[in-house]
This record gives sequence, structure tokens and C-alpha cells, in this order.
Amino acid sequence: SAVISQKPSRDICQRGTSLTIQCQVDSQVTMMFWYRQQPGQSLTLIATANQGSEATYESGFVIDKFPISRPNLTFSTLTVSNMSPEDSSIYLCSAETGVASGANVLTFGAGSRLTVL
Amino acid sequence: SQQGEEDPQALSIQEGENATMNCSYKTSINNLQWYRQNSGRGLVHLILIRSNEREKHSGRLRVTLDTSKKSSSLLITASRAADTASYFCATPRGGFKTIFGAGTRLFVKA
Repeated sequence: SAVISQKPSRDICQRGTSLTIQCQVDSQVTMMFWYRQQPGQSLTLIATANQGSEATYESGFVIDKFPISRPNLTFSTLTVSNMSPEDSSIYLCSAETGVASGANVLTFGAGSRLTVL
Repeated sequence: SQQGEEDPQALSIQEGENATMNCSYKTSINNLQWYRQNSGRGLVHLILIRSNEREKHSGRLRVTLDTSKKSSSLLITASRAADTASYFCATPRGGFKTIFGAGTRLFVKA
């Protein structure tokens, strides 16, 4: 199965700054997804990133706050812009790595734990 | 937004006991998946069950699906301390998105 490398694994950031999270897959994948997970909570989908097109954002998430790049079939970045303490979360990159009869199986990176002071 | 609700929210058992987690969802689905998340790590896919299946096994895992009740259960038999993790059910939405339930935090005491 695919391996996803995500970095940074953790960071402490100052309010008002921006941070870019990188996600590298060891094989080509069509669809990548970015999730946010607040401490002790479930995952919330931020956006879907396909190569060659703009990311599709879920309700409550906007491109100005969370710009995403998808320059090729193995790489994506998520930027958390103008951070506030409310952005303190784990951000998870995932890729669709198994499709069987319409079922999309996801592989995840280890996550990036951001703390905003 | 979350698709499913899971119960219990947290479960603490002794090593060797069985652990059962339940998931309910709201919309019609063609499959349901379970994932595990060890503390501070990414999620790992455990098992997938399709809507035309009622039960599926994988090692010590048994998953059931009741589409009439829009619910699923995950049973871990003969639990081990290494099974300590959070478990999430996941359902498809919009054809290619995956939405996760609230999760059950399992603690297995050695």
C-alpha cells in the first residue's frame, strides 16, 4: 500500500503567521484530501485536491484561509493562513489509494500538530 | 459535517475481553469502513463492508452492517493492549468524499 509522508509533524506558531504543510505520496494518486482534527474529536474534511484543478472546499472552509496546491500526482500542500489559536489542530493529509467496486479506501499521513500561540 | 455517531464514546476493558463499538449513519450508503488511529498518529484502514454484506471478518475483527437500521458494529475479540486506540467508522459522501464518525476511544488494560 502507499506511504504518505507529511511534514512538519508538529509546530508552534505565532498568531497572524502562516504555515505550509507538505504531503508526499510514494505513488501517483488521483485524489487527495485534507482533514482537520481538533483534540479528542473526529476528522472534518477541509477540501479535496485533484491535480490540475482547483481544490474543492467544504462548507466552513475557504481558499483564502486554507490555500491548497496540487502540482502533480504525488504531492500536495495545505497552508494555514493568518493563524489564530482556534486553528490549533491536527491537520491530516490523505490519498485515495484503493478503489474496489466504488469504495474509496484512504491512506493517511501521520498528521501535523499545530499549536498557535 | 459528520455522517455518523458512534457509541460508546469511550470504552475501557481488560486484555483478553471483547470490545464492541457501534456506529450509526444518516444517509444511504454503498459501503462503510472502519479506521483505527493510534494516539497522535494518522488513521489506518481496518476493514470495509459493502451494503450487500451483513457481516465480514478480518483476523480478530468482525464487522456487521444493518442497512435497515443504518448502523454498523465493530467487534474486536480477545483484545490486546496494542488495540488501545480510537476507532472511527467512515462512510462515503458525494461519490468520492469520506466522512468520519465521532469515534470510540478504546483503552485496553494489560
